Amino acid sequence: GQNIDQPTEMTATEGAIVQINCTYQTSGFNGLFWYQQHAGEAPTFLSYNVLDGLEEKGRFSSFLSRSKGYSYLLLKELQMKDSASYLCAVLDSNYQLIWGAGTKLIIKP
Amino acid sequence: DTGVSQNPRHKITKRGQNVTFRCDPISEHNRLYWYRQTLGQGPEFLTYFQNEAQLEKSRLLSDRFSAERPKGSFSTLEIQRTEQGDSAMYLCASSSGRPTQYFGPGTRLLVL
Repeated sequence: GQNIDQPTEMTATEGAIVQINCTYQTSGFNGLFWYQQHAGEAPTFLSYNVLDGLEEKGRFSSFLSRSKGYSYLLLKELQMKDSASYLCAVLDSNYQLIWGAGTKLIIKP
Repeated sequence: DTGVSQNPRHKITKRGQNVTFRCDPISEHNRLYWYRQTLGQGPEFLTYFQNEAQLEKSRLLSDRFSAERPKGSFSTLEIQRTEQGDSAMYLCASSSGRPTQYFGPGTRLLVL
């Protein structure tokens, strides 16, 4: 079967750095996405990795290792507005998105 | 590029009633997706259109659910004889030929 695993909840302090991990087992791989979702709102696109390595975009970076079936999202200089759920999703061999349940990130002052 | 829009944003209905939701994708995006999301879960795929053709439909989708995209632009999702278990956020997303999907604000359905 297809499976995406990520922690249910994480807590971090404003101004700090947090790393959210995602491991996956899917039928085929055509890239991995990270989306941010605030409570009651739609997911918004953060990053897309299809090759191994680190992609940096401002305060957010995303890493992929295809051989390990592993990715992480790194958030630096945390701000209160970063409190949200972070969803990991893999595009499988049918070009369908397989989603994790999301990691709820709580930022404390 | 005005983004994906969905209407209504909220819908409260009684069990057994039919409901219809509308999604307007980003203009010129030929692919349109419907998802359902419940609290604490990731989105669950429902169905997918490329232009006006419905190319895939989840096996989990009962025959009470139907979707159309008659002119290859906006799409509607209808749920007949709603049940309390249908209460969820219904999300629409669109994409061009690239992998990234862009989501609308969602329609939150509550079945009483």
